[in-house]
Amino acid sequence: DSGVTQTPKHLITATGQRVTLRCSPRSGDLSVYWYQQSLDQGLQFLIQYYNGEERAKGNILERFSAQQFPDLHSELNLSSLELGDSALYFCASSLTISTYNEQFFGPGTRLTVL
Amino acid sequence: DAKTTQPTSMDCAEGRAANLPCNHSTISGNEYVYWYRQIHSQGPQYIIHGLKNNETNEMASLIITEDRKSSTLILPHATLRDTAVYYCIVSDGANNLFFGTGTRLTVIP
Repeated sequence: DSGVTQTPKHLITATGQRVTLRCSPRSGDLSVYWYQQSLDQGLQFLIQYYNGEERAKGNILERFSAQQFPDLHSELNLSSLELGDSALYFCASSLTISTYNEQFFGPGTRLTVL
Repeated sequence: DAKTTQPTSMDCAEGRAANLPCNHSTISGNEYVYWYRQIHSQGPQYIIHGLKNNETNEMASLIITEDRKSSTLILPHATLRDTAVYYCIVSDGANNLFFGTGTRLTVIP
């Protein structure tokens, strides 16, 4: 158990819909990262937040957005969903902003878009 | 983005040492070498990292060549639970981790 929690574990929805994935970081960790893992793309970094502020962006689509709240939990919002958005979405947390610190990954949310 | 090269897959007999190689010939002086693994579809798990000295922890050892252009992750006594995809990553701490495709290690009974 990494100490990072993600909800829900599974999500099934239809194309065009909007969903919100939630992540609670390990106690004391200030950085939250979101990753997408699909069969054909591997594990892709999406976005990083540190203490409530966006710090880095990766391959995140404009239809996707995220935020980190004052209690440090984070949400990833996916809108206008397409079939290709079906994937595992992982959240990770680390102590500081630097990736020198190890990242602790949650169990993931499996999103299926029908 | 790919800064590392790893074999696609490897097998290892249970109880034997698993040696996973990684080439990172373009590594720069301030970049660390990290290893993570992902068991089935679980979240990746940190294993170890190092800069230039060899490192050991309760999970594994990391051997980095003197020129830092390659490294080897050693699992001293592989078990069936070590079957996973192992990712070798280089990072300068400022940029986010690029996982690549990793090495699929299969531990055989």
